Parts: sequence; structure tokens; C-alpha cells
Amino acid sequence: DGGITQSPKYLFRKEGQNVTLSCEQNLNHDAMYWYRQDPGQGLRLIYYSQIVNDFQKGDIAEGYSVSREKKESFPLTVTSAQKNPTAFYLCASRTGRNTEAFFGQGTRLTVV
Amino acid sequence: AQSVAQPEDQVNVAEGNPLTVKCTYSVSGNPYLFWYVQYPNRGLQFLLKYITGDNLVKGSYGFEAEFNKSQTSFHLKKPSALVSDSALYFCAVSGLGSGNTGKLIFGQGTTLQVKP
Repeated sequence: DGGITQSPKYLFRKEGQNVTLSCEQNLNHDAMYWYRQDPGQGLRLIYYSQIVNDFQKGDIAEGYSVSREKKESFPLTVTSAQKNPTAFYLCASRTGRNTEAFFGQGTRLTVV
Repeated sequence: AQSVAQPEDQVNVAEGNPLTVKCTYSVSGNPYLFWYVQYPNRGLQFLLKYITGDNLVKGSYGFEAEFNKSQTSFHLKKPSALVSDSALYFCAVSGLGSGNTGKLIFGQGTTLQVKP
């Protein structure tokens, strides 16, 4: 089945730790996106990548980092510099600007 | 800069009545517009999109949306609401034109509550 897979579904982080969220797609999509969802604030764009080995900051990139070494994979690292990381994180991919994005099922990150 | 506004946090409708969820956008150049639905603790599901052509776009589950360039709006509509339509709805925009970098920007979301 083609799709986009996020793992893990739930993640707990101690303060001061870095954690990495996985996002893998087998749809052969060029563009990939990371969003953060908080209640009442919709989806806010963290980072996006339109091609392998290239990515751009979104609106809330501080405290996050990404890599795009393979077309299929776009991992997101939440660093200790992110002061309020507890949120629901969504990964998406699409072919191009005029196509719809496909979303993973999300990762819920909680700081303990 | 691209932006999307959904002016209503929540829309309440009785089952069987028509529903409208509002969306306005700002983007340089021609817009590509999308509607998505989200059920609790899940990812987003695509409903419909406007790229070009007819201003009235039909999508999944009986939903449709009307593109209005002069009002920069893309409101989601359904002639007869179902209780199962109750969910969180998002409008999104990406643009075509110089300076547009492939960003896909979402609104804040509107909770649709359909009561029996």
C-alpha cells in the first residue's frame, strides 16, 4: 500500500533531550512537510523540502532541525532549544504545488 | 506572504440543513486552494481542491466549495449536513508565481458540529 508513515505514534521526552520523529513515504513525492498542531492554533509549518538535500524553514522553525538525504524520508528532530515541544506533529507529502498533500497519522510528543 | 483565515472557530448546524465553513486567503499570484477534514487524533484527509477552471468545485462525501477571486474566498459547503460530518475542517493555500516556494499554509481550523 502506498502511503506516508509516521513513527512513533506517541513519544515522551525528558526536558533537555533531543528526540527525532520519523516520516517515511513511498508515494514518490518530491515535496515533504512538517507541521505542528496545537489546540486552537491550526497547523503551523515547521520545515518543508521540495527536493532531496534541500529544505526551507517554515513559520516556526526555531528549536527544530530536519534532513532530507533520501526522497522517501524527512525526519524531524526536536531539540532541547524548543521550549514548549508538547504538541501533535504531522508530516505530509505531495508531488507539486497544485496537488493535494497526503498526511501521516501524526506523532503526539509529550514532555515529562 | 501567504495566509489563510477561517473566521469561525465553530459552526453548529442541524442535521439535514445546509452548512457553510468559511475561508479567505492571501497569496501572490494565482492560488491553489484545498480543504481537508480531521477526525480526533488522526491525520488530515483531503476533501477537494481548486486549481483552475470552474469556480464551483465538487469533492468527497458530498462537499463542494466555491472559489471567489474578487472576495479571495473559498467557502466549503454541503447541501444537507450529516451527524457524521462533525469534525475539524482546514482550509489551505499554496501559490503559483515568482517568489512562491511551494509552501502549503493552513488556516486555524473550524470545528463543525452537526446535531441530530
